[in-house]
Amino acid sequence: DVVMTQSPLSLPVTLGQPASISCRSSQSLVYSDGNTYLNWFQQRPGQSPRRLIYKVSNRDSGVPDRFSGSGSGTDFTLKISRVEAEDVGVYYCMQGTHWPWTFGQGTKVEIK
Amino acid sequence: EVQLLESGGGLVQPGGSLRLSCAASGFTFSSYALSWVRQAPGKGLEWVSTISSSGGGTNYADSVKGRFTISRDNSKNMLYLQMNSLRAEDTALYYCAYRYCDYWGQGTLVTVSS
Repeated sequence: DVVMTQSPLSLPVTLGQPASISCRSSQSLVYSDGNTYLNWFQQRPGQSPRRLIYKVSNRDSGVPDRFSGSGSGTDFTLKISRVEAEDVGVYYCMQGTHWPWTFGQGTKVEIK
Repeated sequence: EVQLLESGGGLVQPGGSLRLSCAASGFTFSSYALSWVRQAPGKGLEWVSTISSSGGGTNYADSVKGRFTISRDNSKNMLYLQMNSLRAEDTALYYCAYRYCDYWGQGTLVTVSS
């Protein structure tokens, strides 16, 4: 199985400051069709997960442009340009290239 | 608007069975794959199973293979998860998810305990 490793697991941030979460996979996530199926999800306290980013860098509809995804191969990053109070929660990366699909452990973002 | 509504969770004894359902609306149901993802209390997300749009293709996590069966009824816009031989470690909130987890339901809680 592909292991997804996120860091850090806890991320205290100051409002208005940037934040960055790393996600590394144990093997390349490039699929045979040339796409890289790496998604990012946000789970606010008490809520269902919500997809923010798909295929590495594509923002879902309604996702603020302060969220961005980047990376390639086995190394990926989610960045929040300026953290707002509503961004508190747990963030997960997930690969959908190889079966079984696998998630990272989650990164808890909190306000300092 | 995509809507997914799970039901069927509850308390079941170890070794017992449960069938989860997911009622879907807001999209052409028969055109898209669907998945189940679970989250144990206080833990992270774990993909459980995915079924193709026609129902002809299925995939399972090793942890549930041979015990769980995913199915769908495209005439009723319904997704199912038949769970047999349940174990304590299957205790979780089970989410129904659309396509590549583009959208998620609110989840239904399964508790396996004597």
